[in-house]
Amino acid sequence: GEQVEQLPSILRVQEGSSASINCTYENSASNYFPWYKQEPGENPKLIIDIRSNMERKQTQGLIVLLDKKAKRFSLHITDTQPGDSAMYFCAARTGGYKVVFGSGTRLLVSP
Amino acid sequence: GPKVLQIPSHQIIDMGQMVTLNCDPVSNHLYFYWYKQILGQQMEFLVNFYNGKVMEKSKLFKDQFSVERPDGSYFTLKIQPTALEDSAVYFCASSLDGDSDYTFGSGTRLLVI
Repeated sequence: GEQVEQLPSILRVQEGSSASINCTYENSASNYFPWYKQEPGENPKLIIDIRSNMERKQTQGLIVLLDKKAKRFSLHITDTQPGDSAMYFCAARTGGYKVVFGSGTRLLVSP
Repeated sequence: GPKVLQIPSHQIIDMGQMVTLNCDPVSNHLYFYWYKQILGQQMEFLVNFYNGKVMEKSKLFKDQFSVERPDGSYFTLKIQPTALEDSAVYFCASSLDGDSDYTFGSGTRLLVI
């Protein structure tokens, strides 16, 4: 299969705490895992990605982890700010060229 | 950075009519994609296109849908005839090659009434 499951669907955190979003994929041939942030009425914007030759990647308060054995990957946002409130989508590219998206997580960061 | 332009940004159309959504991809990109997003829901893959051909399409890419990019101009998604359930935001994306990041356009909000 080519499904990407994403949890939770809604995540509420306090400003300054961390937020974690988890995704699983079905196709073991998947080799590229981007994460997108989408604000209301806007297009999705790539915030970080990881390829299958890596297990961890970090940039500007974002950490992504990839466990190929478990077919699981996750996004961790450290020190969340109200500006981090948005929809977040994980995605996976299967061996072909298309990227399949998860169902999204609505992150709400309260001051 | 380089942008994907989508025209129009909004379109309202009567059910049964034809609509064409236009996408101007990043100039040196070779792979093009259409995704459909119903409000607040996930981005669903419709089709990808390379070298003048559809490479892959999903079940959502009904017989009423077609794509083309005549002579390197706009990459278009045509829906003929439209149905009420076609109402959604349609995002175009392009990538340099099959292994690169996508660049998404800002979307066309289609309302079929």
